[in-house]
Amino acid sequence: QVQLKETGPGLVQPTQTLSITCTVSGFSLTSYYIQWIRQTPGKGLEWMGFIRSGGSTEYNSEFKSRLSISRDTSKNQVFLKMNSLKTEDTGVYYCARAAGSFDSWGQGVMVTVSS
Amino acid sequence: DIQMTQSPSLLSASVGDRVTLNCKASQNIYKNLAWYQQKLGEAPKLLIYNANSLQTGIPSRFSGSGSGTDFTITISSLQPEDVATYFCQQYYSGWTFGGGTKLELK
Repeated sequence: QVQLKETGPGLVQPTQTLSITCTVSGFSLTSYYIQWIRQTPGKGLEWMGFIRSGGSTEYNSEFKSRLSISRDTSKNQVFLKMNSLKTEDTGVYYCARAAGSFDSWGQGVMVTVSS
Repeated sequence: DIQMTQSPSLLSASVGDRVTLNCKASQNIYKNLAWYQQKLGEAPKLLIYNANSLQTGIPSRFSGSGSGTDFTITISSLQPEDVATYFCQQYYSGWTFGGGTKLELK
């Protein structure tokens, strides 16, 4: 059974760095892309970036300067790090398995950026 | 960047109604389009991919059509459990989502 689960802090202070882990099961990270998507009150659903099955990454230009995606295949985990957080980054962050469209999603993690 | 525009933003319909939601791309995306259903407090769920292919496990009352810039998703007979927000997404060039259509019961 394909599963993805995001874990991360609920609250982050402005200017700080957000770190979220996506733990997957039921498939191999070396066979699928993993995407990161967020949903904010201001902009709705936004594609953030992804890591390919081979390990290379691509980022939405909107986030490119402050976003990093990496993985540990031995732990079936993908990591999102985004720095210089602002209050507008408040929202739900999802990881998803991708083959063109996003066929399986994690439950999401709510992140609030506030002092 | 490719923009996706959905209409209407809110639709009220009755159980048993045939419901059609619309999605327009700012340029030709061929059939690189997916539809997702998001219920309150849940993650989006893939319904349709490649514009008209039904994802495994999705009821056959859902269907998708279109190509190029204009797409639709149709629910042939609306059920109470279909109350949700529906999003389209293009994956021809990067990935972009529409703003969503909120479907409620009349």
